[in-house]
Amino acid sequence: KQEVTQIPAALSVPEGENLVLNCSFTDSAIYNLQWFRQDPGKGLTSLLLIQSSQREQTSGRLNASLDKSSGRSTLYIAASQPGDSATYLCAVLKMNRDDKIIFGKGTRLHILP
Amino acid sequence: DAGITQSPRHKVTETGTPVTLRCHQTENHRYMYWYRQDPGHGLRLIHYSYGVKDTDKGEVSDGYSVSRSKTEDFLLTLESATSSQTSVYFCAISPKGNYGYTFGSGTRLTVV
Repeated sequence: KQEVTQIPAALSVPEGENLVLNCSFTDSAIYNLQWFRQDPGKGLTSLLLIQSSQREQTSGRLNASLDKSSGRSTLYIAASQPGDSATYLCAVLKMNRDDKIIFGKGTRLHILP
Repeated sequence: DAGITQSPRHKVTETGTPVTLRCHQTENHRYMYWYRQDPGHGLRLIHYSYGVKDTDKGEVSDGYSVSRSKTEDFLLTLESATSSQTSVYFCAISPKGNYGYTFGSGTRLTVV
């Protein structure tokens, strides 16, 4: 059974720092991996989708990498800002379309002004 | 969120009453999902649909039913609301089920 783990559960860093959020998964037979952001009281916003044939995706200050063989993904946030404060979730999808997306429990990020 | 809307955004209802939540999409995606999110439990799948009139149960389906008569609409019904169903409900869509998900803004339901 696929399990997705995100460590740490919570993280506080000063504004301006570069930071890395980690995601690990137990079954490397994934099709895609998706990173989401959730602000308090809000829905999930998709940040990046990495297909299994890719090793990384970039959007602005965000860069996500994928290493299927080691069962790991990282989300790199450059030059963090207070507006980056949110919970970040990673999720994995398998090849079979009827296999549901599996979420990690998230990392709650707080950027200190 | 562009392409997916949930209604209502907030609802307070009494125990024992039926409640229907609506998810509407304009993306023509085949797959639609209903989740609930509770502190300490994360996102849990209630029901999903892989086409018009094609639905299946998720991990927490008891007390819920769904219908999908059109591609764009996926309805979630709480047959007889209980306090344990107080939660935030999210709808999600995906074009292929394994490609990527887009979530709605959620419905905050309180059962009193």
